Amino acid sequence: SQTIHQWPATLVQPVGSPLSLECTVEGTSNPNLYWYRQAAGRGLQLLFYSVGIGQISSEVPQNLSASRPQDRQFILSSKKLLLSDSGFYLCAWKGQGAETQYFGPGTRLLVL
Amino acid sequence: DQQVKQNSPSLSVQEGRISILNCDYTNSMFDYFLWYKKYPAEGPTFLISISSIKDKNEDGRFTVFLNKSAKHLSLHIVPSQPGDSAVYFCAARKFWGNTGKLIFGQGTTLQVKP
Repeated sequence: SQTIHQWPATLVQPVGSPLSLECTVEGTSNPNLYWYRQAAGRGLQLLFYSVGIGQISSEVPQNLSASRPQDRQFILSSKKLLLSDSGFYLCAWKGQGAETQYFGPGTRLLVL
Repeated sequence: DQQVKQNSPSLSVQEGRISILNCDYTNSMFDYFLWYKKYPAEGPTFLISISSIKDKNEDGRFTVFLNKSAKHLSLHIVPSQPGDSAVYFCAARKFWGNTGKLIFGQGTTLQVKP
């Protein structure tokens, strides 16, 4: 069966510090991978998606970047965090030809 | 431009009754719709989905209805249970080839009272 991991679960960072969130998927190969953010009291906003190693598409201009160094690894980064980067970050995967995305447990980021 | 809207931020129902969660969309190019359930501080879990070629899909206590002419879908939960209390998101997919991108509504918080 497939599983998706995210870490850390919670992160408190000062403004201006760097960020690295990691997502890995097990039990599948060549998945589509997605990063979402849920701001407090709001829906899920798609930030990045990837259909293969090294292929990243950005959905919204922002202070964040994404990378996919391996088939089942997706990383969300920032060089300098802003207060507005606070939120709940979710990674999701979808199998090739499948319809449904499956989400990881999420990372709660608080920028102070 | 909010292409997927859940206009009711919250809903409260009594245990055993029916819960009806609604979702409206604006883009007629959406071809697949999904419902997710989310508990606080957890990732959303997939509940049920429906293709645009159907008007109903049922899975146990959950039924999704799609009215394409009205650009409206709804999730029915019968009977509602206290464990159903969560935030429910509807999502829509526009067929962009293999990208599988979804657009989510804002969510509706369901409270089922014992």
